[in-house]
Amino acid sequence: SQKIEQNSEALNIQEGKTATLTCNYTNYSPAYLQWYRQDPGRGPVFLLLIRENEKEKRKERLKVTFDTTLKQSLFHITASQPADSATYLCAPNFGNEKLTFGTGTRLTIIP
Amino acid sequence: NAGVTQTPKFRILKIGQSMTLQCTQDMNHNYMYWYRQDPGMGLKLIYYSVGAGITDKGEVPNGYNVSRSTTEDFPLRLELAAPSQTSVYFCASSYSQRMDTQYFGPGTRLTVL
Repeated sequence: SQKIEQNSEALNIQEGKTATLTCNYTNYSPAYLQWYRQDPGRGPVFLLLIRENEKEKRKERLKVTFDTTLKQSLFHITASQPADSATYLCAPNFGNEKLTFGTGTRLTIIP
Repeated sequence: NAGVTQTPKFRILKIGQSMTLQCTQDMNHNYMYWYRQDPGMGLKLIYYSVGAGITDKGEVPNGYNVSRSTTEDFPLRLELAAPSQTSVYFCASSYSQRMDTQYFGPGTRLTVL
């Protein structure tokens, strides 16, 4: 069965630096992959979607890349701010009707 | 536009009790989902629905039941609560399935003692 692995459980980054989060998957590539943000006590909120034939997607300070050779998606936040502190979830879709969510990476931006 | 609403926010159940978690969306979405989230774990899909009258099992359906009589509502029923069902439950909806954003409710924190 497919496995989704997000890098460290927790990541601390200095304010102003770029935060890079990793999402690795096994076996076959997803048709597309979504990234969500989750704040404590709240439901996840959609951020970005990248398709299997896209290398990169940007939205303001956010960038997502998708490397089917490495079986990996990277999520970047540039010029990070304390307000970016949250848990970030990757969610690939492997061609069926459902998303598979990773366990998430808890990001803390240190002022 | 309230989006996806869930009730209750918190609930404590005794072993063997039953309850229904309510979920309503006002976005006219066809697809609705129930997930559970345990500490340090990803969201696990319990059940989903592709439209009124149609439901299907997800990854962890045992101990739960659902119904979808209207587009707006997708209640989740726990018949005989067990400690293993202690979790945070999220309802979500999307307009379509293919490459579509899922909109999540605020969650219900359930404890079974």
